[in-house]
Amino acid sequence: NAGVTQTPKFQVLKTGQSMTLQCAQDMNHNSMYWYRQDPGMGLRLIYYSASEGTTDKGEVPNGYNVSRLNKREFSLRLESAAPSQTSVYFCASLRGVTGSSGANVLTFGAGSRLTVL
Amino acid sequence: AQSVTQLDSQVPVFEEAPVELRCNYSSSVSVYLFWYVQYPNQGLQLLLKYLSGSTLVKGINGFEAEFNKSQTSFHLRKPSVHISDTAEYFCAVSGGTSYGKLTFGQGTILTVHP
Repeated sequence: NAGVTQTPKFQVLKTGQSMTLQCAQDMNHNSMYWYRQDPGMGLRLIYYSASEGTTDKGEVPNGYNVSRLNKREFSLRLESAAPSQTSVYFCASLRGVTGSSGANVLTFGAGSRLTVL
Repeated sequence: AQSVTQLDSQVPVFEEAPVELRCNYSSSVSVYLFWYVQYPNQGLQLLLKYLSGSTLVKGINGFEAEFNKSQTSFHLRKPSVHISDTAEYFCAVSGGTSYGKLTFGQGTILTVHP
């Protein structure tokens, strides 16, 4: 049972380059999330998808786009990377069905460390 | 909107000593509260959660936390720590409309010394 899988684990970009972080979950969860983690700031929500076919902005969406490709996959795209986007990115998923065991707990991937030079 | 403040950025402690990691929150609505642990180079793992009911919540690895609504706190405690508890700990709050849209504190690095 893989849970939440993120690729790549590490990436170095130059300013202005674009890239996509991939996330897939095999738990049949309804909701998916992208967070970024920066030292001394905890995790901050970038975008989320409450259900297949919907996406919404979180706390820090500027400079990012997302796609909920299907129920399993939720990608995060940086169109023109900036040094301020150097961070560790975490994808997470949530079953989100009231009454289901574990429905109210996020499952996190292992993270993708991105450096923008 | 809600916010979370973890009052200590680093907590050093000796093995087998008790520890308390402090977390205060602010919110205009009812909240759900969580503690997550992050071991080096890994994702976050849930330690425990408060959704409703008993204000004393027990989690994995011997940790527990108490929800104090009047003091808007959710401090994490363990009576006797082990070397393997060395990690970063995050307190998080949900505004009650979504379990997944969490506001995290800044994190507390717990270092357990032999």
